[in-house]
Order: sequence, then C-alpha cells, then structure tokens
Amino acid sequence: KAGVTQTPRYLIKTRGQQVTLSCSPISGHRSVSWYQQTPGQGLQFLFEYFSETQRNKGNFPGRFSGRQFSNSRSEMNVSTLELGDSALYLCASSLSGQGSYEQYFGPGTRLTVT
Amino acid sequence: QKEVEQDPGPLSVPEGAIVSLNCTYSNSAFQYFMWYRQYSRKGPELLMYTYSSGNKEDGRFTAQVDKSSKYISLFIRDSQPSDSATYLCAIPDFYGGATNKLIFGTGTLLAVQP
Repeated sequence: KAGVTQTPRYLIKTRGQQVTLSCSPISGHRSVSWYQQTPGQGLQFLFEYFSETQRNKGNFPGRFSGRQFSNSRSEMNVSTLELGDSALYLCASSLSGQGSYEQYFGPGTRLTVT
Repeated sequence: QKEVEQDPGPLSVPEGAIVSLNCTYSNSAFQYFMWYRQYSRKGPELLMYTYSSGNKEDGRFTAQVDKSSKYISLFIRDSQPSDSATYLCAIPDFYGGATNKLIFGTGTLLAVQP
C-alpha cells in the first residue's frame, strides 16, 4: 500500500509570493491533517479536513488556507509569504474520523522563503 | 504554559545505554499518549501509544504514563545507532469535538554513538 505522498518535496519562494502544497493520503483514508514544523516551535497543527470539510483549525493567520477534494487529496495554500513561513510542512492521513491513533505522516515539503 | 512540554535535548549516549525521554502535559483530561520517531528528512512515524496510567512495553521500548503528575516517559533499552532520531511525544486533542488533531512536544534529538 502506498504511503502518504507530498509534492513538491522542496520549494524556494520569495517574500510576498504564494505557494500551494499538495498531499495525497493513503488510499481509503478520509482524514487529512496539516502541520508546520520549525526548530523553535516544533510541530504545530494547521488544520484538518474530513470528507472535504474543515473540521478543526489551528492558531495560524488567514494567509494559511486549505481544501480537500472528493478523492481525499488535500492542498494547502500560503499567501503573501513571510520569512517566518520557512518550515517543513507535513500532512498526516488517517482512516477514521475521530481519535485515530493510526495517523500516517508524509515526508513533508521543505519550504524556504527568501 | 504550553499544553505539552518536552525535554529538548539533544541527547548523546553510547550504544547499549538506557535512554529516558520525558514530557509533561497540563490538561488532566488527556487520556491517550503517543510517541513518534522522526528520522532525518522523513515524516514522523508512530512508535507507541498508551492509555491512562501505567506501562506499555514493545521490544526494547517502554512507554510510561503517570497521570497523577502529568508525566510521560519513553525508555529505550540497549540503544542502537539505528535509534538515532528525534523523538516526539504527542497527545490527541479530543477536547472540543471530533478531531484527529495531535498536540506535539518540541521533540528530543537522540544520537546513539557506536
């Protein structure tokens, strides 16, 4: 069974630009969560989608947005990039809708903002 | 106060040593506790999860929870160079409804020297 895939793996953008990251969950998984990982803050929850609906959102500005498609693939978008947005962006998928202990992470997208 | 605090490390031990990794949490309502392992340039992978207080053993790994002091630990016996990774404690945030959101500690980087 293929794991969680994220594209692209690496990205370099300039301040003020926008970026879209993609996540394909494990086949059959309907829940996708996104996290930002930085050396100082660790993994911080961005948002979660289940059956195309955003169920939960972390404490990030409105520049961070996401969506989920009918095939469970998810995208996140960051507009007006800032230097502080440089981070590893991880997505995780799970089969069930609540309290799943079996969450599978992708390898992440390393975003560098210059 | 952060909901989950983790000893930051880094930790460097000789091969064969016993390793102790620790986290504390603030919300007494939390009931499930997880440990993830993250190798360099990879996403986190679930190592173990435990419910409530007590110990859970899986091979060389033992997860321990003390709910009275809100303290969770991961012990690695006979540590191997292949155990070198970042270890993250994580707690599912069920407070507030249906969600798969995880609250992570900042991670402890472990290096096992051959």
